[in-house]
Amino acid sequence: NAGVTQTPKFRVLKTGQSMTLLCAQDMNHEYMYWYRQDPGMGLRLIHYSVGEGTTAKGEVPDGYNVSRLKKQNFLLGLESAAPSQTSVYFCASSYRGFEAFFGQGTRLTVV
Amino acid sequence: EDQVTQSPEALRLQEGESSSLNCSYTVSGLRGLFWYRQDPGKGPEFLFTLYSAGEEKEKERLKATLTKKESFLHITAPKPEDSATYLCAVQARGTSYGKLTFGQGTILTVHP
Repeated sequence: NAGVTQTPKFRVLKTGQSMTLLCAQDMNHEYMYWYRQDPGMGLRLIHYSVGEGTTAKGEVPDGYNVSRLKKQNFLLGLESAAPSQTSVYFCASSYRGFEAFFGQGTRLTVV
Repeated sequence: EDQVTQSPEALRLQEGESSSLNCSYTVSGLRGLFWYRQDPGKGPEFLFTLYSAGEEKEKERLKATLTKKESFLHITAPKPEDSATYLCAVQARGTSYGKLTFGQGTILTVHP
């Protein structure tokens, strides 16, 4: 039972490049989330999904897009990366909004 | 706006020296308060959920308690392997999608 798996674990991008972060969960959870974690800022919600085919904005959605084509997968896209998007990104899932279980994170650096 | 403040920012203990971490919160109706543990380079690991004032939960050397304004994570006779960042988060009633508002965490270091 892998739980929540994120790929890649590390990535360096140049300003203006695009990329997609993949999150997969095997717990059959309906709800999935993308958070970013920055020093001194805590974890902040970027986007979330309450079911296959649905997505919604969180606290800090600008510059990101998401898709939930399959229940087990939640993708986070950066269309044109900026240095302000340098962060550690965490995917999480929960059963109908109760305890959230997190992946191991993706450390992204934009130069 | 929901807010979570954790104190202290960092805590250094000797092995066996018990102490407590504090999580103060303001929320428009509490649905749940969550404690997580985060090791360096890892994702947050779920520890406890508390739902109402007076509730307590225990796991090994950790005990979490909840009042109407704050939660405490008590660590009894800590060991070096308890060293980690401890995160507190709240979920407001009426949040249909389970959004968590996190504090900035307390970095706990336990020396042998």
